[in-house]
Amino acid sequence: SAVISQKPSRDICQRGTSLTIQCQVDSQVTMMFWYRQQPGQSLTLIATANQGSEATYESGFVIDKFPISRPNLTFSTLTVSNMSPEDSSIYLCSVEDRGWRFFGPGTRLTVL
Amino acid sequence: QKEVEQNSGPLSVPEGAIASLNCTYSDRGSQSFFWYRQYSGKSPELIMFIYSNGDKEDGRFTAQLNKASQYVSLLIRDSQPSDSATYLCAVTGEAGSYQLTFGKGTKLSVIP
Repeated sequence: SAVISQKPSRDICQRGTSLTIQCQVDSQVTMMFWYRQQPGQSLTLIATANQGSEATYESGFVIDKFPISRPNLTFSTLTVSNMSPEDSSIYLCSVEDRGWRFFGPGTRLTVL
Repeated sequence: QKEVEQNSGPLSVPEGAIASLNCTYSDRGSQSFFWYRQYSGKSPELIMFIYSNGDKEDGRFTAQLNKASQYVSLLIRDSQPSDSATYLCAVTGEAGSYQLTFGKGTKLSVIP
């Protein structure tokens, strides 16, 4: 199975600032996904990131707020821009590997 | 809108018993079905992946899929206290769709 790492594992940020979250996979994967899990809630897909193309965002999520990069088949970043306390959440990177879907350990973000 | 429904629980079972977790989904074209285990403060861990009608067994876990009834279940035999977690059901869309829709999860508590 694909092994996924994320940086940072957690952060506390001030309102109005931005944070970039990194996702690294130990093998080449076509499909990478970014999810958000708010406290006590299930997972919500933010966007799908394919290498060499623009990310595809789900309803309610926009590129200006959550810009994504996918420079190669093993790496992606998600930026949470102009943060507010409502952005406090766990952000998870996920990959599709031969039909299986794996998740990274997550980044716990607190916005003050 | 695609929906995935799970009983939120909590579901309590004695140690050694069979735990039965259920999930229904609204999109009749859904192709693949996943069960994840999530411990508090951790990211989802993939347990089972099923895409054909019938049963799929892996150790103490059995996933059951009935596409006609739009129903998927997870059985955990010989439940252990370490199985206490939230179990998330996730469903993909039609063929060619990579979107994974999650249920809200069922909290399982295995009583020693």
